Amino acid sequence: EAQVTQNPRYLITVTGKKLTVTCSQNMNHEYMSWYRQDPGLGLRQIYYSMNVEVTDKGDVPEGYKVSRKEKRNFPLILESPSPNQTSLYFCASSRTLGTGGMEQFFGPGTRLTVL
Amino acid sequence: ILNVEQSPQSLHVQEGDSTNFTCSFPSSNFYALHWYRWETAKSPEALFVMTLNGDEKKKGRISATLNTKEGYSYLYIKGSQPEDSATYLCAAPFFNKFYFGSGTKLNVKP
Repeated sequence: EAQVTQNPRYLITVTGKKLTVTCSQNMNHEYMSWYRQDPGLGLRQIYYSMNVEVTDKGDVPEGYKVSRKEKRNFPLILESPSPNQTSLYFCASSRTLGTGGMEQFFGPGTRLTVL
Repeated sequence: ILNVEQSPQSLHVQEGDSTNFTCSFPSSNFYALHWYRWETAKSPEALFVMTLNGDEKKKGRISATLNTKEGYSYLYIKGSQPEDSATYLCAAPFFNKFYFGSGTKLNVKP
């Protein structure tokens, strides 16, 4: 089954304790993204990756790191989480359409609470 | 930063009503416009990807139109059903980044 998986789905942590949220896709997509969703703000892109070893900042990259060592995996790293990073996080992978544009497939989401 | 706006923010309709909402985006540097359906406790699912001015897409009772010259897209739901209750998001890519609107939350009452 074609899917994007994220782990963990829920996480409660404390300020400053490094954490990683994993993301994996089995569709051989080149483009992958991380988003955060906060009430009233919609989805905001944190980082994206066009391919292996190619990553770039989205709209809200501060406090986050990513890596793309393999095509299927795109982990999100919070080196020193702070309460303002409490949010719902989505990973997505995208395929390019023949007509232009990309179709994005979203993971199930990770709800992170930083105390 | 690309400013993508959606209106209204929320909508309450009765079962059987038809409804529509709007996504506005800058018309310059247009590449594509995406619509997503996002049910509570689930992840967003792609509805349509639209690229050409005048595009019309349809999936069941849901359809969308695109006007790239004036920078807007409409999403229509004909004969709303309670299972249509969800947040509808639009997004526009710009130089490899995606910019989302804040969504229209639709509640369909039986």
